[in-house]
Amino acid sequence: GDSVTQMEGPVTLSEEAFLTINCTYTATGYPSLFWYVQYPGEGLQLLLKATKADDKGSNKGFEATYRKETTSFHLEKGSVQVSDSAVYFCAQGSQGNLIFGKGTKLSVKP
Amino acid sequence: NAGVMQNPRHLVRRRGQEARLRCSPMKGHSHVYWYRQLPEEGLKFMVYLQKENIIDESGMPKERFSAEFPKEGPSILRIQQVVRGDSAAYFCASSPSPRGGLYEQYFGPGTRLTVT
Repeated sequence: GDSVTQMEGPVTLSEEAFLTINCTYTATGYPSLFWYVQYPGEGLQLLLKATKADDKGSNKGFEATYRKETTSFHLEKGSVQVSDSAVYFCAQGSQGNLIFGKGTKLSVKP
Repeated sequence: NAGVMQNPRHLVRRRGQEARLRCSPMKGHSHVYWYRQLPEEGLKFMVYLQKENIIDESGMPKERFSAEFPKEGPSILRIQQVVRGDSAAYFCASSPSPRGGLYEQYFGPGTRLTVT
């Protein structure tokens, strides 16, 4: 069945370091892809999205490109901040419900 | 524009009691989704509803769980005869009618259910 696999955490980085969180998917169709962020004790916030191959989603310095050939949607940020510490979820959706990865916890140290 | 609202934020129930979780979608959104998040896990889809209709309940346990989204009022997720394994965070999301196949969902803050 359809699924999402993302790199396991936790990921610990120093402030201003480069971030990559890998995400791959399996799908029978052509899903939309999403990154959500969850801060402690809160719900999920949509971070960025892409709807078709080669689309690049971007927001708050984060970027991810929909790569159909590698079925990937890796999240990147050039310079992380302490305030980026959170859990990041990759997700796919095509028929209404979203399928989520297990989440990657990011901790950024000053 | 208020976001997705859920209440209560925290709910404690004893085994065998009923739990009712409420979700008010964003203004203008007619689609509601319920997800469950177990500790250290991602979210798992439970049910997708439009006003007065269940569109997809493939993720709902067959027993004790039900959901509705009436013409007036919030969506309700109801868990009867709760057991300890029902302890989790339950998130509601809403979306407008999909455009170009994109179901962009916006999440509420969740209800954390604890069964003692």
